[in-house]
Amino acid sequence: EPEVTQTPSHQVTQMGQEVILRCVPISNHLYFYWYRQILGQKVEFLVSFYNNEISEKSEIFDDQFSVERPDGSNFTLKIRSTKLEDSAMYFCASSEEELAGGSYEQYFGPGTRLTVT
Amino acid sequence: RKEVEQDPGPFNVPEGATVAFNCTYSNSASQSFFWYRQDCRKEPKLLMSVYSSGNEDGRFTAQLNRASQYISLLIRDSKLSDSATYLCVVIKAAGNKLTFGGGTRVLVKP
Repeated sequence: EPEVTQTPSHQVTQMGQEVILRCVPISNHLYFYWYRQILGQKVEFLVSFYNNEISEKSEIFDDQFSVERPDGSNFTLKIRSTKLEDSAMYFCASSEEELAGGSYEQYFGPGTRLTVT
Repeated sequence: RKEVEQDPGPFNVPEGATVAFNCTYSNSASQSFFWYRQDCRKEPKLLMSVYSSGNEDGRFTAQLNRASQYISLLIRDSKLSDSATYLCVVIKAAGNKLTFGGGTRVLVKP
């Protein structure tokens, strides 16, 4: 069964450093997403990406964040200057083109646990 | 008011029993509804979509009440493996983003 993969599984970084989280979405999917989940809190939407551009982003996704699809398979999330409060689990997700009626499934990767010290 | 609200639980359920819980959403323009399951420190996984007419998938039954803006999930004949956090998820009419509730924790005990 096809699945979304993410690397690394755990990233430890110092405050102020740049990190890049990597994702390989399911191959025939066209929509890509990043979500995050701070320990003990709910899953929060960060950004959606379609046709090589951001289609929607949340208030969390400020200028410190960026996304890229550098080739035909990878989808990355970059945090330019990490803060302590960026510590969280970051989930990548992907979905097929939106079906009629707007109901479709987003498949989540296993996540990258980011720890900022 | 939170966009999607859930009772955090935990719901302690004897094996074989039935458990049901709700989720309320604040935006009447919400269009699509789902229940996801999340195991500890794992990714959310889709359990089932929720349709206006209600739907059933094995031991799981989901209902949608648009007038009162809530959805429900019922689990029959609970198994130990049903122990997880159940996430209520909503999509608004425009856009693709999933809006998650905080989750309802279910613990099934022998």
